[in-house]
Amino acid sequence: EAGVAQSPRYKIIEKRQSVAFWCNPISGHATLYWYQQILGQGPKLLIQFQNNGVVDDSQLPKDRFSAERLKGVDSTLKIQPAKLEDSAVYLCASSFGVSSTEQFFGPGTRLTVL
Amino acid sequence: QKEVEQNSGPLSVPEGAIASLNCTYSDRVSQSFFWYRQYSGKSPELIMSIYSNGDKEDGRFTAQLNKASQYVSLLIRDSQPSDSATYLCAVNKGNNRLAFGKGNQVVVIP
Repeated sequence: EAGVAQSPRYKIIEKRQSVAFWCNPISGHATLYWYQQILGQGPKLLIQFQNNGVVDDSQLPKDRFSAERLKGVDSTLKIQPAKLEDSAVYLCASSFGVSSTEQFFGPGTRLTVL
Repeated sequence: QKEVEQNSGPLSVPEGAIASLNCTYSDRVSQSFFWYRQYSGKSPELIMSIYSNGDKEDGRFTAQLNKASQYVSLLIRDSQPSDSATYLCAVNKGNNRLAFGKGNQVVVIP
């Protein structure tokens, strides 16, 4: 079974530039999550999708971050414009549904904002 | 108050010893709890889940839950060098939304 795919794996940008991350969840997983993990901290949930609908985006900085999952499969997370404090690993995870099931994480995208 | 707290610093244990990790959470209504292992530069992977008060054992790992004290712990018996990693405590806030602690680094010394 293929795991969660993410690209790119690494990205370096200047502050105020834009960046986009892509995630393809495990086949059949209806629920998709984006997390931000700053060095030395645990992952922080940014947004959760159930199929193509948003379940929770309460911790997403909506003035600069946006995410979509238009067809209920893959998803993109965008930052525009980026700030220095956005430097982090962005993790995508998926699960079968919103009940207490295991979340499977992708390899992450390491973003460095200069 | 943080949703999930893991306050211990790096833990160094000799190979074969028991590593003990602790976690407290703030929301009394939380029902499910998880321990994830994260190797340096890698993504988290689930090693234990626990839903009821008491102990749950899986191989060398034992999770303990005390909902009255809002406390979750993880014991790693017969620690191996391959157990050297950061261990993240996570709490389900509902609808499978996880709140993570900052993690505890474990170093197993051969």
